[in-house]
Amino acid sequence: AQKVTQAQTEISVVEKEDVTLDCVYETRDTTYYLFWYKQPPSGELVFLIRRNSFDEQNEISGRYSWNFQKSTSSFNFTITASQVVDSAVYFCALSEPNYGGATNKLIFGTGTLLAVQP
Amino acid sequence: KAGVTQTPRYLIKTRGQQVTLSCSPISGHRSVSWYQQTPGQGLQFLFEYFSETQRNKGNFPGRFSGRQFSNSRSEMNVSTLELGDSALYLCASRASTNEKLFFGSGTQLSVL
Repeated sequence: AQKVTQAQTEISVVEKEDVTLDCVYETRDTTYYLFWYKQPPSGELVFLIRRNSFDEQNEISGRYSWNFQKSTSSFNFTITASQVVDSAVYFCALSEPNYGGATNKLIFGTGTLLAVQP
Repeated sequence: KAGVTQTPRYLIKTRGQQVTLSCSPISGHRSVSWYQQTPGQGLQFLFEYFSETQRNKGNFPGRFSGRQFSNSRSEMNVSTLELGDSALYLCASRASTNEKLFFGSGTQLSVL
Protein backbone atom coordinates (compact mmCIF):
# COMPACT_ATOMS: atom_id res chain seq x y z
CA ALA A 1 0.00 0.00 0.00
CA GLN A 2 1.06 3.56 -0.61
CA LYS A 3 1.98 5.67 2.37
CA VAL A 4 3.70 8.99 3.04
CA THR A 5 5.21 9.77 6.42
CA GLN A 6 6.14 13.22 7.62
CA ALA A 7 7.44 12.55 11.11
CA GLN A 8 7.93 16.21 11.99
CA THR A 9 4.61 17.62 13.15
CA GLU A 10 5.85 21.11 13.92
CA ILE A 11 9.13 22.94 13.42
CA SER A 12 9.96 26.38 14.75
CA VAL A 13 12.98 28.29 13.51
CA VAL A 14 14.25 31.82 13.66
CA GLU A 15 14.41 33.83 10.47
CA LYS A 16 17.50 33.17 8.31
CA GLU A 17 17.99 29.68 9.70
CA ASP A 18 18.04 26.75 7.27
CA VAL A 19 15.36 24.11 7.81
CA THR A 20 14.83 20.63 6.35
CA LEU A 21 11.44 18.97 6.17
CA ASP A 22 11.55 15.19 6.02
CA CYS A 23 9.39 12.93 3.86
CA VAL A 24 9.52 9.14 3.66
CA TYR A 25 7.27 7.21 1.31
CA GLU A 26 6.21 3.63 0.68
CA THR A 27 5.06 2.18 -2.60
CA ARG A 28 5.35 -1.12 -4.42
CA ASP A 29 5.36 0.51 -7.83
CA THR A 30 8.52 1.25 -9.75
CA THR A 31 6.95 4.26 -11.42
CA TYR A 32 5.50 6.98 -9.25
CA TYR A 33 5.49 10.72 -8.67
CA LEU A 34 6.40 12.72 -5.59
CA PHE A 35 5.20 16.22 -4.76
CA TRP A 36 5.58 18.99 -2.22
CA TYR A 37 2.78 21.44 -1.56
CA LYS A 38 2.59 24.45 0.75
CA GLN A 39 -0.61 25.42 2.55
CA PRO A 40 -0.67 28.95 3.95
CA PRO A 41 -3.45 30.05 6.35
CA SER A 42 -5.66 30.94 3.37
CA GLY A 43 -6.15 27.21 2.81
CA GLU A 44 -5.09 26.94 -0.81
CA LEU A 45 -2.51 24.25 -1.57
CA VAL A 46 0.37 25.77 -3.52
CA PHE A 47 2.40 23.48 -5.76
CA LEU A 48 6.16 23.54 -5.12
CA ILE A 49 7.68 20.62 -7.00
CA ARG A 50 6.93 17.33 -8.76
CA ARG A 51 9.51 14.61 -9.26
CA ASN A 52 9.08 11.28 -11.04
CA SER A 53 10.69 8.10 -9.78
CA PHE A 54 13.17 7.92 -12.64
CA ASP A 55 14.66 11.32 -11.95
CA GLU A 56 16.87 11.26 -8.88
CA GLN A 57 18.56 14.55 -9.60
CA ASN A 58 18.40 16.97 -6.73
CA GLU A 59 16.81 20.28 -7.55
CA ILE A 60 17.38 23.81 -6.38
CA SER A 61 14.96 26.66 -6.94
CA GLY A 62 16.00 29.88 -5.27
CA ARG A 63 16.00 29.25 -1.52
CA TYR A 64 14.30 25.86 -1.96
CA SER A 65 16.07 22.57 -2.62
CA TRP A 66 14.93 18.97 -2.75
CA ASN A 67 16.88 15.79 -2.08
CA PHE A 68 15.36 12.63 -3.60
CA GLN A 69 16.91 9.31 -2.57
CA LYS A 70 15.23 6.15 -3.83
CA SER A 71 17.55 3.96 -1.75
CA THR A 72 16.01 5.34 1.44
CA SER A 73 12.58 6.22 -0.05
CA SER A 74 12.99 9.81 1.01
CA PHE A 75 12.20 13.12 -0.62
CA ASN A 76 13.37 15.86 1.74
CA PHE A 77 12.83 19.58 1.31
CA THR A 78 15.23 22.26 2.53
CA ILE A 79 14.56 25.98 2.84
CA THR A 80 17.71 28.05 3.04
CA ALA A 81 17.71 31.34 4.94
CA SER A 82 14.09 30.96 6.01
CA GLN A 83 11.76 33.94 6.03
CA VAL A 84 8.59 34.70 7.97
CA VAL A 85 6.60 34.32 4.74
CA ASP A 86 7.69 30.67 4.62
CA SER A 87 5.46 29.96 7.62
CA ALA A 88 2.87 27.43 6.47
CA VAL A 89 2.00 23.75 6.54
CA TYR A 90 4.05 21.74 4.07
CA PHE A 91 2.76 18.52 2.60
CA CYS A 92 4.61 15.75 0.83
CA ALA A 93 2.51 13.58 -1.51
CA LEU A 94 2.79 10.48 -3.69
CA SER A 95 0.88 9.32 -6.74
CA GLU A 96 1.03 6.45 -9.14
CA PRO A 97 0.69 6.92 -12.87
CA ASN A 98 -2.66 6.50 -14.52
CA TYR A 99 -3.75 7.08 -18.10
CA GLY A 100 -0.11 7.38 -19.10
CA GLY A 101 0.84 10.09 -16.66
CA ALA A 102 0.39 11.38 -13.14
CA THR A 103 -3.03 10.78 -11.68
CA ASN A 104 -4.91 13.34 -9.62
CA LYS A 105 -5.11 10.84 -6.77
CA LEU A 106 -2.45 12.02 -4.38
CA ILE A 107 -1.60 10.29 -1.12
CA PHE A 108 -0.62 13.05 1.28
CA GLY A 109 1.49 12.95 4.38
CA THR A 110 0.13 14.52 7.56
CA GLY A 111 2.02 17.73 6.96
CA THR A 112 4.66 19.69 8.83
CA LEU A 113 3.76 23.05 10.34
CA LEU A 114 6.70 25.40 9.87
CA ALA A 115 6.76 28.52 12.01
CA VAL A 116 9.45 31.05 11.18
CA GLN A 117 9.93 33.58 13.94
CA PRO A 118 11.24 37.08 13.16
CA LYS B 1 -5.89 33.98 -15.62
CA ALA B 2 -8.30 33.23 -12.79
CA GLY B 3 -7.42 30.39 -10.45
CA VAL B 4 -9.60 27.53 -9.28
CA THR B 5 -12.75 29.03 -7.78
CA GLN B 6 -14.77 27.29 -5.12
CA THR B 7 -18.12 28.42 -3.80
CA PRO B 8 -19.29 28.96 -1.20
CA ARG B 9 -16.25 29.69 0.97
CA TYR B 10 -18.05 28.77 4.19
CA LEU B 11 -21.12 26.66 4.79
CA ILE B 12 -23.01 25.64 7.91
CA LYS B 13 -25.46 22.75 7.79
CA THR B 14 -27.19 20.48 10.28
CA ARG B 15 -27.06 16.71 10.51
CA GLY B 16 -29.24 14.94 7.99
CA GLN B 17 -29.23 17.75 5.46
CA GLN B 18 -27.54 17.56 2.10
CA VAL B 19 -25.07 19.99 0.57
CA THR B 20 -23.71 20.84 -2.86
CA LEU B 21 -20.30 22.42 -3.35
CA SER B 22 -19.18 24.02 -6.58
CA CYS B 23 -15.82 24.24 -8.32
CA SER B 24 -14.85 26.21 -11.40
CA PRO B 25 -11.50 25.05 -12.76
CA ILE B 26 -8.93 27.23 -14.44
CA SER B 27 -10.02 28.07 -17.96
CA GLY B 28 -8.96 25.31 -20.33
CA HIS B 29 -8.51 22.71 -17.61
CA ARG B 30 -10.53 19.57 -18.24
CA SER B 31 -9.49 17.55 -15.21
CA VAL B 32 -10.99 18.22 -11.78
CA SER B 33 -10.50 16.40 -8.52
CA TRP B 34 -11.82 16.81 -4.97
CA TYR B 35 -10.16 16.33 -1.61
CA GLN B 36 -11.41 16.34 1.97
CA GLN B 37 -9.17 17.80 4.67
CA THR B 38 -9.83 17.16 8.36
CA PRO B 39 -7.58 17.49 11.42
CA GLY B 40 -7.96 13.79 12.16
CA GLN B 41 -7.67 12.18 8.72
CA GLY B 42 -5.66 14.82 6.90
CA LEU B 43 -6.01 15.23 3.16
CA GLN B 44 -7.95 12.45 1.47
CA PHE B 45 -8.82 11.99 -2.19
CA LEU B 46 -12.53 11.94 -3.04
CA PHE B 47 -12.91 11.79 -6.84
CA GLU B 48 -11.33 12.69 -10.13
CA TYR B 49 -13.20 13.76 -13.27
CA PHE B 50 -12.03 14.25 -16.81
CA SER B 51 -14.31 15.32 -19.64
CA GLU B 52 -17.43 14.61 -17.56
CA THR B 53 -16.31 11.06 -16.68
CA GLN B 54 -15.28 9.90 -13.23
CA ARG B 55 -11.84 8.34 -13.62
CA ASN B 56 -10.97 7.59 -10.03
CA LYS B 57 -12.71 7.43 -6.69
CA GLY B 58 -11.45 7.44 -3.15
CA ASN B 59 -12.63 5.35 -0.23
CA PHE B 60 -15.70 7.32 0.81
CA PRO B 61 -19.29 6.18 1.37
CA GLY B 62 -21.92 6.53 -1.34
CA ARG B 63 -23.26 9.66 0.38
CA PHE B 64 -20.44 11.48 -1.37
CA SER B 65 -21.02 11.98 -5.06
CA GLY B 66 -19.84 14.31 -7.76
CA ARG B 67 -20.24 15.28 -11.34
CA GLN B 68 -18.60 17.36 -14.02
CA PHE B 69 -20.35 19.44 -16.63
CA SER B 70 -19.47 20.01 -20.27
CA ASN B 71 -17.79 23.32 -19.36
CA SER B 72 -15.54 21.40 -16.91
CA ARG B 73 -17.19 22.94 -13.86
CA SER B 74 -17.72 20.38 -11.14
CA GLU B 75 -20.00 19.87 -8.18
CA MET B 76 -19.83 17.51 -5.29
CA ASN B 77 -22.79 16.51 -3.19
CA VAL B 78 -22.95 15.07 0.29
CA SER B 79 -26.29 13.65 1.36
CA THR B 80 -27.47 12.89 4.89
CA LEU B 81 -24.73 14.93 6.49
CA GLU B 82 -22.95 13.61 9.57
CA LEU B 83 -20.92 15.52 12.13
CA GLY B 84 -17.78 13.85 10.79
CA ASP B 85 -18.32 15.44 7.38
CA SER B 86 -17.19 18.77 8.81
CA ALA B 87 -14.07 19.53 6.82
CA LEU B 88 -12.33 21.72 4.31
CA TYR B 89 -13.22 20.49 0.83
CA LEU B 90 -10.60 21.32 -1.76
CA CYS B 91 -10.99 21.22 -5.51
CA ALA B 92 -8.06 20.98 -7.91
CA SER B 93 -7.73 21.21 -11.66
CA ARG B 94 -5.13 20.68 -14.32
CA ALA B 95 -4.89 20.99 -18.05
CA SER B 96 -3.82 17.46 -18.91
CA THR B 97 -2.40 14.28 -17.47
CA ASN B 98 1.16 15.42 -16.95
CA GLU B 99 0.50 18.92 -15.75
CA LYS B 100 0.63 20.01 -12.12
CA LEU B 101 -2.49 20.32 -9.99
CA PHE B 102 -3.78 23.76 -9.06
CA PHE B 103 -5.90 23.92 -5.92
CA GLY B 104 -8.65 26.29 -4.90
CA SER B 105 -8.98 27.83 -1.43
CA GLY B 106 -11.65 25.33 -0.49
CA THR B 107 -15.11 25.30 1.06
CA GLN B 108 -15.16 25.04 4.83
CA LEU B 109 -18.19 22.91 5.74
CA SER B 110 -19.41 22.80 9.33
CA VAL B 111 -22.06 20.25 10.26
CA LEU B 112 -23.90 20.99 13.51
